[in-house]
Amino acid sequence: QQQVKQSPQSLIVQKGGISIINCAYENTAFDYFPWYQQFPGKGPALLIAIRPDVSEKKEGRFTISFNKSAKQFSLHIMDSQPGDSATYFCAARGGSGSARQLTFGSGTQLTVLP
Amino acid sequence: DSGVTQTPKHLITATGQRVTLRCSPRSGDLSVYWYQQSLDQGLQFLIQYYNGEERAKGNILERFSAQQFPDLHSELNLSSLELGDSALYFCASSVKGWQGNTGELFFGEGSRLTVL
Repeated sequence: QQQVKQSPQSLIVQKGGISIINCAYENTAFDYFPWYQQFPGKGPALLIAIRPDVSEKKEGRFTISFNKSAKQFSLHIMDSQPGDSATYFCAARGGSGSARQLTFGSGTQLTVLP
Repeated sequence: DSGVTQTPKHLITATGQRVTLRCSPRSGDLSVYWYQQSLDQGLQFLIQYYNGEERAKGNILERFSAQQFPDLHSELNLSSLELGDSALYFCASSVKGWQGNTGELFFGEGSRLTVL
């Protein structure tokens, strides 16, 4: 099963708060889990990524937590800012060799209120 | 700017028509991916090309086809268009089909197709 399930569909957070977006997958062959950020009128851009042999990765205010046994991973945005307002997609990479591709979650629209 | 160029940015056409979307990948990237983004379906993988050859297929309809040319640009052809084909179509490119560790896809800004 290639599906990646993402929740919530939308999220409203006050400035300075913590935003948490969750994803779950079924295919244990996925080997790379990125998060993409998309602003209106733009294409998605890589935000942060993790491999399944690591339980947590932090880059600035953004942290991925990864639970291999539960087949779940989440994005935490600390001290959320209005500029973080965007759509966030989790993804998982499958396939092999030169035929790898990303399967995306359905997206979370984050709104950070000033 | 991701370095991936997509044209046209906007396209309005009628049902039953055929359109071609064009993508120029980042310089040096051999892999091109096409994704469809609609409101209720998120980002759906359509097809991938690597150095001119089809490498992987996703949820691409038979009415849709794609190709990658020797200069590595790619075209997505959509025919017998239906209202439900209205969506944002994204092209992305990556280095060497991810044989390295980076795993990053670079997306263009998309082509918005409206079928009336």
